[in-house]
Amino acid sequence: GQQLNQSPQSMFIQEGEDVSMNCTSSSIFNTWLWYKQDPGEGPVLLIALYKAGELTSNGRLTAQFGITRKDSFLNISASIPSDVGIYFCAGRSNTGNQFYFGTGTSLTVIP
Amino acid sequence: SAVISQKPSRDICQRGTSLTIQCQVDSQVTMMFWYRQQPGQSLTLIATANQGSEATYESGFVIDKFPISRPNLTFSTLTVSNMSPEDSSIYLCSVASGGAPGTQYFGPGTRLLVL
Repeated sequence: GQQLNQSPQSMFIQEGEDVSMNCTSSSIFNTWLWYKQDPGEGPVLLIALYKAGELTSNGRLTAQFGITRKDSFLNISASIPSDVGIYFCAGRSNTGNQFYFGTGTSLTVIP
Repeated sequence: SAVISQKPSRDICQRGTSLTIQCQVDSQVTMMFWYRQQPGQSLTLIATANQGSEATYESGFVIDKFPISRPNLTFSTLTVSNMSPEDSSIYLCSVASGGAPGTQYFGPGTRLLVL
């Protein structure tokens, strides 16, 4: 199946710094989702995006649906230690029911 | 959102045996999926569990190895058959709302170690 490319693969940042990560696809999607997975847990949905150009926030997290419909971005402002985890993007086209998942970005926040 | 529970949460099994994982959702859902996540990897779709009919398997996954049941709109099981150490993974149940807009939610996962 299709897999989305996430960048960067891993990040090590100081507490308080801002974080940016992105997700790219070779196909056009009409829905983008962003998840966070803590160690030993299932992925938890953070943000859902449904329109090209849409910018949606959830607390310190902001995600954008790229205008090309082939990419999406997630920003975390003022990172804190509990932001540690793996962040996954997922995309779906309007011709299918299946979401395709990104390769993941591992975030480490150094206190 | 949907609340999803999975049983067992983890297990250690001997090779050659089988394990059945249960997934229970707190509301009726049309679409249920089973994923596998190997250590340090992304999520790989095993199959879509269809209520009242056979599951739809992705390339590389077969019914004999991963039989799936979906007796109603709130419950599904995945069996990992004739296990080998390569089957050691996290198995995740997921439910989705179809149409637009759509979202997808995951259970807490079942951590399987095959010795």
